[in-house]
Amino acid sequence: EVQLLESGGDLVQPGGSLRLSCAASGFTFSTYAMTWVRQAPGKGLEWVSSIDASGGYTYYADSVKGRFTISRDNSRNTLYLQMNSLRAEDTALYYCARLHSGSSDSWGLGTLVAVSS
Amino acid sequence: QPVVIQSSSASASLGSSVKLTCTLNSGHSSYIIAWHQQQPGKAPRYLMKVEGSGSYNKGSGVPDRFSGSSSGADRYLTISNLQSEDEADYYCETWDTNTRVFGGGTKVTVL
Repeated sequence: EVQLLESGGDLVQPGGSLRLSCAASGFTFSTYAMTWVRQAPGKGLEWVSSIDASGGYTYYADSVKGRFTISRDNSRNTLYLQMNSLRAEDTALYYCARLHSGSSDSWGLGTLVAVSS
Repeated sequence: QPVVIQSSSASASLGSSVKLTCTLNSGHSSYIIAWHQQQPGKAPRYLMKVEGSGSYNKGSGVPDRFSGSSSGADRYLTISNLQSEDEADYYCETWDTNTRVFGGGTKVTVL
């Protein structure tokens, strides 16, 4: 069974940094692209970033480009999202998802990031 | 880049059917989309992928009541024999080489 477990969410001040992790199990992590998607309180889903299976190609939404960095450690079956220069509008529940033939086909339960002074 | 548009809400009676629409923007009418369900307070769940040909591929454990179809730039999700647990937000998703987008979501109410 595919399992994705996010962690690392916290309350952080504007301008601060945070690193999210997503521990994967139940599938061969190193053969799948992965993605981060966020959901602000009461709002819809917003794509944040994606990474290919090897980690060699990364993609970002314009809203986070230059501030967030996606990475992965295939030896640890873990996906990461380093978030710097955080803003109030980054407040959201952050989900990691597996990409299969293009679509997000398995989702984690999410981790909450709150940016506030 | 691709854009997908969804109506904000839909409602139908218990046991009836509802058909949700996801419309692709000009120049992207052939794109594949995915449908996701998000029940209140829960994480999204992948339902299926729908191609421009109308063929669809459901995720593991998705009930037979859920089906997909397509017409031009429109991709559909039909829920038959609507159940109370189908009351949820439904999002469509599409993607390109270096980006992916979600529709604004359709809130389905079971009357």
